[in-house]
Amino acid sequence: GNSVTQMEGPVTLSEEAFLTINCTYTATGYPSLFWYVQYPGEGLQLLLKATKADDKGSNKGFEATYRKETTSFHLEKGSVQVSDSAVYFCALSINTNAGKSTFGDGTTLTVKP
Amino acid sequence: NAGVTQTPKFQVLKTGQSMTLQCAQDMNHEYMSWYRQDPGMGLRLIHYSVGAGITDQGEVPNGYNVSRSTTEDFPLRLLSAAPSQTSVYFCASSYGRRIYNEQFFGPGTRLTVL
Repeated sequence: GNSVTQMEGPVTLSEEAFLTINCTYTATGYPSLFWYVQYPGEGLQLLLKATKADDKGSNKGFEATYRKETTSFHLEKGSVQVSDSAVYFCALSINTNAGKSTFGDGTTLTVKP
Repeated sequence: NAGVTQTPKFQVLKTGQSMTLQCAQDMNHEYMSWYRQDPGMGLRLIHYSVGAGITDQGEVPNGYNVSRSTTEDFPLRLLSAAPSQTSVYFCASSYGRRIYNEQFFGPGTRLTVL
């Protein structure tokens, strides 16, 4: 079946530190990949996405590259801010699953000043 | 556009009570879905719909019913609430079933069943 595995949290960083949140996937086909962010008390919102191998999604200083050979979509940011504190979800969507999304368990990031 | 709206924001029920969680979107999206979010378990799909009059089960459908009489609305019914249904519920929508279309989420309903 399809699954998404994220690095376990919580992750605590100091402001301006480098961030990596690992995400690997298993899929019976060729998925689209997404990172969603959930700020406290809110619903999820799209952070970035990539729809084919070697595509790089980017937004708000965050980046992730679709690596088909390693089935990975790691999220990175060069310098985090306190306002980046949130829960981050990796997800995939695939035709063989009627377009339904499969989500990872989420990684909680806390950035301290 | 209001996007995806959900009501109520908070609800407390007693075991055995029934209720309906409301979800509406004003983006003319074909695809709508309901998820529940539990600590350490990510999001799990309850039911989804690919258009008015068409619904299907997701990963954890037991104890929940849905219907889709219009494009805009996708209510979730709890038939007889149980403590195991204590969770945060999110409604989401997307434009069509293309796998590259992202989902838009509502703000969530926090449900407690005593």
